[in-house]
Amino acid sequence: AQKVTQAQTEISVVEKEDVTLDCVYETRDTTYYLFWYKQPPSGELVFLIRRNSFDEQNEISGRYSWNFQKSTSSFNFTITASQVVDSAVYFCALSEQIQGAQKLVFGQGTRLTINP
Amino acid sequence: NAGVTQTPKFQVLKTGQSMTLQCAQDMNHNSMYWYRQDPGMGLRLIYYSASEGTTDKGEVPNGYNVSRLNKREFSLRLESAAPSQTSVYFCASSPIGQGFGTEAFFGQGTRLTVV
Repeated sequence: AQKVTQAQTEISVVEKEDVTLDCVYETRDTTYYLFWYKQPPSGELVFLIRRNSFDEQNEISGRYSWNFQKSTSSFNFTITASQVVDSAVYFCALSEQIQGAQKLVFGQGTRLTINP
Repeated sequence: NAGVTQTPKFQVLKTGQSMTLQCAQDMNHNSMYWYRQDPGMGLRLIYYSASEGTTDKGEVPNGYNVSRLNKREFSLRLESAAPSQTSVYFCASSPIGQGFGTEAFFGQGTRLTVV
């Protein structure tokens, strides 16, 4: 069965520090997608990135970067020079194709607190 | 664009009461989903609808029913609410059928408390 593990339940850092959120996944599929979502204190889910299983290139978007390593089944997320506005719960998710739809299997989430 | 709209945003029910959570999307997406979010467990799929006219059970369907009223609307019904159904409920949609791996768009969530 598909599974996503975010071992870090809570992380607290001081503003401007770099922080990495870990994500490890399990799947038997050869084609799959990985996602990161952000849930700020207001509660909505904000899409951050999608990565397919055939593309192992790292991606950088401003202060955000993602490291996808198929060999270790990991898709880690790094925030460089963190800011208070980055405080949120972050979810890693794995896609599973089901009956013509797509299920997302979510990790437990990591609550990130950036202190001023 | 409004995206995915859920109503209500908050609700308190007594054990045994029934209610329907409404969800509508204006992005012409084929697939719609209901997830619940519980502390320490991430989001779990309750029911989904791959396309208009079809619905299927997800990971945690017990105690719920759904209706895909049309392409835009997908409702979730609690027939007899239980305290274990206290949770935050998210509706989502995705344009699957136009490519596996597309992102899901989520509503704002409904915070439900059953006392």
